[in-house]
Amino acid sequence: GAGVSQSPRYKVAKRGQDVALRCDPISGHVSLFWYQQALGQGPEFLTYFQNEAQLDKSGLPSDRFFAERPEGSVSTLKIQRTQQEDSAVYLCASSLGTSGLDEQFFGPGTRLTVL
Amino acid sequence: AQTVTQSQPEMSVQEAETVTLSCTYDTSESNYYLFWYKQPPSRQMILVIRQEAYKQQNATENRFSVNFQKAAKSFSLKISDSQLGDTAMYFCAFVSNYQLIWGAGTKLIIKP
Repeated sequence: GAGVSQSPRYKVAKRGQDVALRCDPISGHVSLFWYQQALGQGPEFLTYFQNEAQLDKSGLPSDRFFAERPEGSVSTLKIQRTQQEDSAVYLCASSLGTSGLDEQFFGPGTRLTVL
Repeated sequence: AQTVTQSQPEMSVQEAETVTLSCTYDTSESNYYLFWYKQPPSRQMILVIRQEAYKQQNATENRFSVNFQKAAKSFSLKISDSQLGDTAMYFCAFVSNYQLIWGAGTKLIIKP
């Protein structure tokens, strides 16, 4: 596709449920990022992939959060046993290179609401 | 700690006016990029303008320009001839290695 896509756009989960959020980066983009954006705040870094390798997961808030990118393209962010504090917009971004200074292109985000 | 501070939670100006959004940051890095991103209501984040820290010349993109003061660690965004479509959240960010460090954002409203 022409841009980064994410699905679902909206997700409502009951506390304790597991959720999986999908990101389709721009074709050929090596780097992929996940961010968490709480209401009224700026995004916060969660994790970074270079191709299929997860080079940094320091931003993941707990071991309930897990991300993968097994074939170096599509990525999935999984949250187990969701809690109310997990409610946020989850943004995915991709960039062409690996220098870290390239422009990051963002998807529309998945808005997760945990009841 | 690396931080970005946007001291203006919300701003409102009339269409066609000029507006300046403030941003200060703190980093010990010597090589980094600074960015302004725009997030329109219910739409995705898009890059407005980028500044390389080692360049003294301020970046300009059509109606958007920055005032980059490296010593003061200040990176303000000026929007000239503002348009209704400029209404959005504006985020200042810098990248160190590959991590984008973000400010809390400024909500800009352009009034007709």
